[in-house]
Amino acid sequence: NAGVTQTPKFQVLKTGQSMTLQCAQDMNHEYMSWYRQDPGMGLRLIHYSVGAGITDQGEVPNGYNVSRSTTEDFPLRLLSAAPSQTSVYFCASNKTGTNYGYTFGSGTRLTVV
Amino acid sequence: GIQVEQSPPDLILQEGANSTLRCNFSDSVNNLQWFHQNPWGQLINLFYIPSGTKQNGRLSATTVATERYSLLYISSSQTTDSGVYFCAVQNRDDKIIFGKGTRLHILP
Repeated sequence: NAGVTQTPKFQVLKTGQSMTLQCAQDMNHEYMSWYRQDPGMGLRLIHYSVGAGITDQGEVPNGYNVSRSTTEDFPLRLLSAAPSQTSVYFCASNKTGTNYGYTFGSGTRLTVV
Repeated sequence: GIQVEQSPPDLILQEGANSTLRCNFSDSVNNLQWFHQNPWGQLINLFYIPSGTKQNGRLSATTVATERYSLLYISSSQTTDSGVYFCAVQNRDDKIIFGKGTRLHILP
């Protein structure tokens, strides 16, 4: 098992550019989510999904879109990047109905200039 | 939405000391997890503990769901315990919300 794989690890964007952060898991986890981590703010939930075809908004969804066409993949799209979206982004997954808890990806460090 | 508060925000200890980290939450939860983020940014799940007590080596955790708090105990601290400890709760609408963390520094 590769666990939760995030790509890319680092990215620099110009204001207004778009991009997609990729997240894939091979553990057949139903639940997947995206967080951003900023200094002093902890991890804030952007979007989450309880299964293929189902997505919902978290605490800070503005400026981000997600889709969940398969169980394995949960990409995060920035349609028009802004400097306020400079952050470290984490994807996580877990299997509902179990007590194993979250598995996190290694993160994507995004800088918007 | 549910609020998650962790205390203390920062903690500096000498190697070998014991520590207690606290997580308070504002509503009933379906589950609660503790995580450690190491200095390289990696997030590791320590405990999945919606209620009761669990132990894993020098670490243990207790959640009292009826009183809406959880405690993480670290005994005989080592420098490798340094980092940020997060509490995360999941409530009825399936959102998993994190506290802002406790930054722990273990001095050699």
